[in-house]
Order: sequence, then structure tokens, then C-alpha cells
Amino acid sequence: ETGVTQTPRHLVMGMTNKKSLKCEQHLGHNAMYWYKQSAKKPLELMFVYNFKEQTENNSVPSRFSPECPNSSHLFLHLHTLQPEDSALYLCASSHDRSSQAFFGQGTRLTVV
Amino acid sequence: DQQVKQNSPSLSVQEGRISILNCDYTNSMFDYFLWYKKYPAEGPTFLISISSIKDKNEDGRFTVFLNKSAKHLSLHIVPSQPGDSAVYFCAASVLDFGNEKLTFGTGTRLTIIP
Repeated sequence: ETGVTQTPRHLVMGMTNKKSLKCEQHLGHNAMYWYKQSAKKPLELMFVYNFKEQTENNSVPSRFSPECPNSSHLFLHLHTLQPEDSALYLCASSHDRSSQAFFGQGTRLTVV
Repeated sequence: DQQVKQNSPSLSVQEGRISILNCDYTNSMFDYFLWYKKYPAEGPTFLISISSIKDKNEDGRFTVFLNKSAKHLSLHIVPSQPGDSAVYFCAASVLDFGNEKLTFGTGTRLTIIP
């Protein structure tokens, strides 16, 4: 248990669905991240939020839309995904942008 | 272009023996290196790290070695235990105007054989 909780743990969605992934941390961290892990690929950083402000978007398609309503919560809104978006989506948080990241358990997403 | 490479996707080691996981990197600006361990259905958890000013860091059964000239680091686990069976990710970090940028390798699945 790292203190970073992700829900749901598993999600199957059709290409026309809209769903959201949720991440929550009560570690007092100020930075939160979304990573994507596809099979046989390195973890890819998608988005970074620092003090609730988005500071990085690593060329992520607009069908992925992050939201950070407060420093404890981070969402990833999903809309009209493609089968190749099927992956493990990991949330992480850190005290600040130079500190060690703590990861959640991930959401295993399957797009059908 | 992958800046952090783990060329062995899997490794099997007998219980009690030494496990050696390898990682190569290309970016000489990386100044901090980390190993994460991941069990199935869990997120990666931090294991051990090393600063680029050191060549060795030890924590119990885990030792990380850094060879900057070869741009190579390795994780040694000795003695290996069944609970060490997991996927191990190497990561390299650079501070960019105070922001840490982590680059991960593809992981090595370690299986400890009882």
C-alpha cells in the first residue's frame, strides 16, 4: 500500500463509451502524474499536474482528458478510445516535482 | 528512440543464488537512477536508487552498481528469494529546471526458482 489509490482496477469499454479513471492520494503530495504502460513498452508519462496546474502533456491525444480538481484527486476522462489504447494506466504522486514518485496499483483498461 | 534499455525481458534464478538485472542508458544528462519492483496487479514500488556521483549503493540484499563510462547500471539481489519474483523496472532521472523527468525501461521479469 503506497497511499495512492486508483479506481476502478479493471475497465472494459467500447469505442463509443465515455468513462473516467480516478486517482486519490492523501499523502500531502503536490504533484500527480498519469502514466501509460503498454505491453512490452516502457512506462510513458502522459500528464503532470503540479499544485493542481497541468504542467506537462506529452503529446497525448485529445481523447484522453485529465482533470485535477484538488491536490488529492486526479481524473483521466476517456472518450472514443481505440483498441490500441488498451493498457495499464498508472497514477503516481510525489511531494514535489523533484521527489520520488509513489505509484497506485493501476487500472487495466481494455477497449473493445 | 529508447533512452533506457533493459535488454533481457526475463530472467530465471535459483533460490539462494545471485540475481543480476542489467540496464543501459544513452542520455549522459541522467543524474539519478532508480529501480522499481512491480508485482502483478500492483503498481511499481521504489526499491533502490543511486546518484550519478556514486558507483555503488547497497541496501540489505539489494545492491545497485553504476558504470558511468559504459552508461550501464545493474541491480544485484543476493541471496535471491521466491518473494523477489516480480518485474523490475530501471528508471533514469534528470532534473529539468527543478522538475524531475523519469524515463523508464521496458522491465525484466525475474523468476526465482525454489
